[in-house]
Amino acid sequence: ETGVTQSPTHLIKTRGQQVTLRCSSQSGHNTVSWYQQALGQGPQFIFQYYREEENGRGNFPPRFSGLQFPNYSSELNVNALELDDSALYLCASSYDRGTDTQYFGPGTRLTVL
Amino acid sequence: GQQLNQSPQSMFIQEGEDVSMNCTSSSIFNTWLWYKQDPGEGPVLLIALYKAGELTSNGRLTAQFGITRKDSFLNISASIPSDVGIYFCAGRSGGSNYKLTFGKGTLLTVNP
Repeated sequence: ETGVTQSPTHLIKTRGQQVTLRCSSQSGHNTVSWYQQALGQGPQFIFQYYREEENGRGNFPPRFSGLQFPNYSSELNVNALELDDSALYLCASSYDRGTDTQYFGPGTRLTVL
Repeated sequence: GQQLNQSPQSMFIQEGEDVSMNCTSSSIFNTWLWYKQDPGEGPVLLIALYKAGELTSNGRLTAQFGITRKDSFLNISASIPSDVGIYFCAGRSGGSNYKLTFGKGTLLTVNP
């Protein structure tokens, strides 16, 4: 059974650019959640996708958007990058949207200069 | 965004000692979870709690869901060097709200 994978591992962008982060969910899981983890903080919920539809959103502006594909993999897109967007972006998959057990990937470290 | 109050922020202990950490919230949660995060990795689920007053163990780890539903505790007994890492609590309010709200974490260092 393959765990949650994320790509790329690290990324450096400049202010104003756009970025796409990718996540492959664990086999058999139909729900993917995205979190932003700033240095020294706990993860902050961005949004969740269930069966290709957004199923809940945290307190993040519209320039944070996402997609989920028929194979349940997911993308996180961030437009007009700001310095404060520098963080570790974590994706977590779960068996179903009502399942509390979420399995996290290793994250993508985004640095915005 | 909202975060839970987790304490202590950090702990330095000797191998073999017991450890306690806790998490409080101003809101009620229906689920409490405890995660451990190692450097360069995503959080790994340690224990999940679903019922007020519930006490659940996972090896040397024991966690409790507070009666008020606004707090949770994690104890680690007989610590070993591989217990080093950041421990996070997380809560979910339930219903159609599937997001997890995390604490800021407790950094645990174990001296051999």
